[in-house]
Amino acid sequence: TQLLEQSPQFLSIQEGENLTVYCNSSSVFSSLQWYRQEPGEGPVLLVTVVTGGEVKKLKRLTFQFGDARKDSSLHITAAQPGDTGLYLCASRTYSSASKIIFGSGTRLSIRP
Amino acid sequence: SAVISQKPSRDICQRGTSLTIQCQVDSQVTMMFWYRQQPGQSLTLIATANQGSEATYESGFVIDKFPISRPNLTFSTLTVSNMSPEDSSIYLCSVGRTVSSYNEQFFGPGTRLTVL
Repeated sequence: TQLLEQSPQFLSIQEGENLTVYCNSSSVFSSLQWYRQEPGEGPVLLVTVVTGGEVKKLKRLTFQFGDARKDSSLHITAAQPGDTGLYLCASRTYSSASKIIFGSGTRLSIRP
Repeated sequence: SAVISQKPSRDICQRGTSLTIQCQVDSQVTMMFWYRQQPGQSLTLIATANQGSEATYESGFVIDKFPISRPNLTFSTLTVSNMSPEDSSIYLCSVGRTVSSYNEQFFGPGTRLTVL
């Protein structure tokens, strides 16, 4: 079974600080996605990374895909209260290319 | 992307009863999925809803407990049968789209179910 482990599980920081969330697996990913979920809503896709070593930026968010395509990180610069939410990495399964499985999640809280 | 709506948005049910959740998409989609999200946790795939055939269930989920219908390419239902308090969760409908060699998924707002 392909598992996606995220760390940390919870993170509470002050507004303006930087943070990094990690997603790891013992398996190689063909691609990896990051989603953010706010209370009362479904997850929303932030980015897809497909190439080992790839870095993508989305405003204050920087996503990196590991060279070996087994891990990924999400770095947020100068966190704001609006960044609060559940961050989920996700990847498709090997048994079915159409299905996506989700990591364990990182719950982020930004204090004003 | 796709606009996905779910009904009901939330419900409180008695144990032993059943609830049917509806998912409507604003465009035809091939891939449609149902997920469960227990309080404070990540998403777990229940099944893939196949149009015109029986749903494909993941390990730990069975058709008798979670019957699914997919009568066309824009609509699906998930029924939670003979409910118990352990079924209290958020149930999410999702559709998939293939972009190059990878899949992206879009989610409905979820149905928050509480079983007493």
